[in-house]
Amino acid sequence: KQEVTQIPAALSVPEGENLVLNCSFTDSAIYNLQWFRQDPGKGLTSLLLIQSSQREQTSGRLNASLDKSSGRSTLYIAASQPGDSATYLCAVGNNNDMRFGAGTRLTVKP
Amino acid sequence: DTAVSQTPKYLVTQMGNDKSIKCEQNLGHDTMYWYKQDSKKFLKIMFSYNNKELIINETVPNRFSPKSPDKAHLNLHINSLELGDSAVYFCASSRTEGLAGGPAGELFFGEGSRLTVL
Repeated sequence: KQEVTQIPAALSVPEGENLVLNCSFTDSAIYNLQWFRQDPGKGLTSLLLIQSSQREQTSGRLNASLDKSSGRSTLYIAASQPGDSATYLCAVGNNNDMRFGAGTRLTVKP
Repeated sequence: DTAVSQTPKYLVTQMGNDKSIKCEQNLGHDTMYWYKQDSKKFLKIMFSYNNKELIINETVPNRFSPKSPDKAHLNLHINSLELGDSAVYFCASSRTEGLAGGPAGELFFGEGSRLTVL
């Protein structure tokens, strides 16, 4: 059964800093991996989707990488802003299923 | 146009009552899901349906009964509500890649339904 772990659980950085969020998974036979953002009291917003055949995806200041063989993905956020403060979740896709990590709560201080 | 919509957004009820949450998606997806997010914010899958057929049922008490009248709708009915059922319930949908029962595509979520059982 797929287990997804996100480290760190919480992260606080000053504005402008570059940062990396980590996601690891136990079963490398995945179809895709998706990063989400969740603001307090809100639903999940999809940030990036990486297919199993891809190594990375980029959207604006966000870059997500995938290393299937080692069971790892990273989400890189460049030049962080206070508006980036949220919980970031990764989800790993298998057959008709996506398993979530517990998330990393990011605070970007002005 | 909301892609995945759930109603109600908030639900407060007494223990022992029965309640339903409705979900609709207008994305043309063939797979829909219910996830539960507990007080620690951990998101856990409960059910998934592909073309109205139950695919995943994750050790959820049988007080929870999903119903999919068509592939655009997946409703969740909960009988005999308990305190521990208090959580935020999220509906989601995706397109199944390839054959039925195949891998899940990109996941789209509703805004969530916060259930409080008193």
